[in-house]
Amino acid sequence: GAGVSQSPSNKVTEKGKDVELRCDPISGHTALYWYRQSLGQGLEFLIYFQGNSAPDKSGLPSDRFSAERTGGSVSTLTIQRTQQEDSAVYLCASSLVNPYEQYFGPGTRLTVT
Amino acid sequence: GENVEQHPSTLSVQEGDSAVIKCTYSDSASNYFPWYKQELGKRPQLIIDIRSNVGEKKDQRIAVTLNKTAKHFSLHITETQPEDSAVYFCAASPPGNTPLVFGKGTRLSVIA
Repeated sequence: GAGVSQSPSNKVTEKGKDVELRCDPISGHTALYWYRQSLGQGLEFLIYFQGNSAPDKSGLPSDRFSAERTGGSVSTLTIQRTQQEDSAVYLCASSLVNPYEQYFGPGTRLTVT
Repeated sequence: GENVEQHPSTLSVQEGDSAVIKCTYSDSASNYFPWYKQELGKRPQLIIDIRSNVGEKKDQRIAVTLNKTAKHFSLHITETQPEDSAVYFCAASPPGNTPLVFGKGTRLSVIA
């Protein structure tokens, strides 16, 4: 079946612009996660959605970052007024039930120039 | 909150040798411990996991052990092969509806 998909695969933007990253989780998965991975680094947790509960936003690095999940499915991560330090791969993952077996998407590579 | 420490950060082994990666966690109530493998340029994938009511789990050449008293768990890879070269992440799941807490990763290189 279809896995987790993300779009775009690559995004180059100028400093100060806003960007939107999209994640399509596996159908039926109730949990959705966003992570950030800088080159050669670990998985930095950003935000977690579980069903209709309020999201866990404890990992968002600043108020320039926000995310929403519409209809319990597709999620969008928005970064406002991008900075060079935002350059990284943004990974989305979903699981049938938190915390078991997260399936990761291919990521969006964001480059802020 | 939960804190996961992972060691070593890099590990090189000869092909055919064993590799061991260790993680410690801080929250004694954590109850689920997965390991993810990320090959270069690819996405992380779950390779094995263990729950707190089990002390050891094996799947072919990989095994995970859990010591709840000491709050540490380890990944063991036997008869390593070049395709085992990757970054491995451990994680722990605190109780309640909270996400996994990941370690910082171990870069394993298997030298042919």
